[in-house]
Amino acid sequence: AQSVTQLGSHVSVSEGALVLLRCNYSSSVPPYLFWYVQYPNQGLQLLLKYTTGATLVKGINGFEAEFKKSETSFHLTKPSAHMSDAAEYFCAVSRSWSNSGYALNFGKGTSLLVTP
Amino acid sequence: DSGVTQTPKHLITATGQRVTLRCSPRSGDLSVYWYQQSLDQGLQFLIQYYNGEERAKGNILERFSAQQFPDLHSELNLSSLELGDSALYFCASTPWGQSSYNEQFFGPGTRLTVL
Repeated sequence: AQSVTQLGSHVSVSEGALVLLRCNYSSSVPPYLFWYVQYPNQGLQLLLKYTTGATLVKGINGFEAEFKKSETSFHLTKPSAHMSDAAEYFCAVSRSWSNSGYALNFGKGTSLLVTP
Repeated sequence: DSGVTQTPKHLITATGQRVTLRCSPRSGDLSVYWYQQSLDQGLQFLIQYYNGEERAKGNILERFSAQQFPDLHSELNLSSLELGDSALYFCASTPWGQSSYNEQFFGPGTRLTVL
């Protein structure tokens, strides 16, 4: 079954520094990959997704991710961190189920702390 | 605001009790998903409905059940509650049917506390 692993449960960066959140996937079929963000006491919001085509995917709030099949990775980056980026980030892969169902398999999440 | 609504926002109950969580998907979305978020297990998929039919079943306990009604809203029923059921329960919906590459829009969640 398709799954993802997020490396690092906590990442701390300085304001203005590069943000790099790591995600590796496992899938026997071409994966559909997603990054979601969760701000405190809120639901999840889609940052970006990879389905097919261009391997560099741009999302909201200046985030982007690159799908690398050879490395089975889908790392999330942002050139310059803002204080408002502090949140929990989840990588997810779409998983198929019997009866034509689909759902997301999430990683454990990475908590991003941005320091002044 | 994702357009997905969940009620109630908070729920506090005792062990052994039964509760019902409600979800209204975005207008026109036919697929509804339920997820559980806890500190131990992270975000786990529970169950999916598409236009009233169950389509996928994840790590949902037998004490839990769900349904989707003709107006497309969904309810998650949790019974014989245990302390370990305390968690945040999210509902999500997708547009354009139920393709695997669809974005899921998440509601704000219901925080369940079992005492």
